[in-house]
Amino acid sequence: GQQLNQSPQSMFIQEGEDVSMNCTSSSIFNTWLWYKQEPGEGPVLLIALYKAGELTSNGRLTAQFGITRKDSFLNISASIPSDVGIYFCAGGGKETSGSRLTFGEGTQLTVNP
Amino acid sequence: NAGVTQTPKFQVLKTGQSMTLQCAQDMNHNSMYWYRQDPGMGLRLIYYSASEGTTDKGEVPNGYNVSRLNKREFSLRLESAAPSQTSVYFCASSERDSSQYFGPGTRLTVL
Repeated sequence: GQQLNQSPQSMFIQEGEDVSMNCTSSSIFNTWLWYKQEPGEGPVLLIALYKAGELTSNGRLTAQFGITRKDSFLNISASIPSDVGIYFCAGGGKETSGSRLTFGEGTQLTVNP
Repeated sequence: NAGVTQTPKFQVLKTGQSMTLQCAQDMNHNSMYWYRQDPGMGLRLIYYSASEGTTDKGEVPNGYNVSRLNKREFSLRLESAAPSQTSVYFCASSERDSSQYFGPGTRLTVL
């Protein structure tokens, strides 16, 4: 079953606010990924992290790979209405699982204009 | 580059009917995956193929079979559909670094 705890489950924010969400695990991952899914679409890869401590940005998005390799966070700055969607974290790169990923259950983001 | 494509986009089946979901990728990836997504359950791995010629069970394989037809194509078959298989099915592909790229999904309803 799923091993990642993603929080919060949902967020309701005003346009312009910053957003933070995180994922924690009881086991170590060598890769952390963040995806966004919009209604009726497949998940789209936002950021991939490959090294403990790594901090990576993609426009208004910033994600970090935790030092312990058991957690990751995603920040969105100055949110806009098109940020609405479900954000998933995923952990991968374990020797026992090859290229398989373990997914969090998602954070549903709603942005009020 | 189309990325990962899936057909059909929508399907309605009656209990007991069979069907095959098709998936193709044009990124020359070695690994391919089938997931199902249900409300409140996130993404659950059904089957995966680490490389051409190999397939392995994921978290929820019961009621499904797969075929890795060649490096590009990975199909998912429901031999006798059940209402519990009503879901959205996603195909994905990746290279060795685990970054998976997803198709647009197939929305399946079993009556």
